[in-house]
Amino acid sequence: DQQVKQNSPSLSVQEGRISILNCDYTNSMFDYFLWYKKYPAEGPTFLISISSIKDKNEDGRFTVFLNKSAKHLSLHIVPSQPGDSAVYFCAASAPSFGNEKLTFGTGTRLTIIP
Amino acid sequence: KAGVTQTPRYLIKTRGQQVTLSCSPISGHRSVSWYQQTPGQGLQFLFEYFSETQRNKGNFPGRFSGRQFSNSRSEMNVSTLELGDSALYLCASRGGLQGGTAAFFGQGTRLTVV
Repeated sequence: DQQVKQNSPSLSVQEGRISILNCDYTNSMFDYFLWYKKYPAEGPTFLISISSIKDKNEDGRFTVFLNKSAKHLSLHIVPSQPGDSAVYFCAASAPSFGNEKLTFGTGTRLTIIP
Repeated sequence: KAGVTQTPRYLIKTRGQQVTLSCSPISGHRSVSWYQQTPGQGLQFLFEYFSETQRNKGNFPGRFSGRQFSNSRSEMNVSTLELGDSALYLCASRGGLQGGTAAFFGQGTRLTVV
C-alpha cells in the first residue's frame, strides 16, 4: 500500500527553466510534508518542508505547494541549475498524531539539461 | 555543527552473521531514526528512538533491533543476515519531540551480504 506516490520516475528540464515535481498521498492523517534531494550512495539532503496549516512555503529557488483537498503537493525549482540533477523524494508524516515516522515516495530523477 | 555521522560507510558480511551499525546524531538532537533503502522497496522506516526509548517501529522482522544511549548515539543490529538485507542503511536525527521538524540524514552504511 503506497501511501505516498511520485508517479513520474524521471523528468528532464532545460537549465534556467522551471522544474515541477509532483507527489500525491492517500493518508489523510499526514500533516507534515518534506522534500529531500539524493545523490547516489549518499543520504538524502533536506530541502524544504510544509505543514498542513499552510498551502505554500518558499526557500530561495525552492517552493512547495500543498493542496490538501486533492492530497497533492509539488516542488517548484526556479531557475533550474545543473547541480539540481538528482533524485527527489517527497515524504510525509503525522506529527499531530504522535507519529514522526517518514513515509517516502519512490522518487523522481531530475535531469537538468545544460 | 557536525552533521549526522554513520559508521562504517561500507560493510560486507556473510549470510548468517550479525552486524552492528552506528549513528551519531547532530549535537543536541535527541531523536534518531533508522531507514533501509533498497532498489525494490525504496526508503523504508525501521524504528525511531528518543531519550533511549523506542517510540515507533516499522514492519521489519525481529532480527532488526536497535538501541539508543544516554548521549543520543544509536546502534542498529541485524542478526542472522540474509541476502535480502543488502541495502543502504540510513540514520536520521531530529531536534526534539515537537511536531513537524525535519529529519537530517547521515551518509548511510552500505551493507552487502554475500
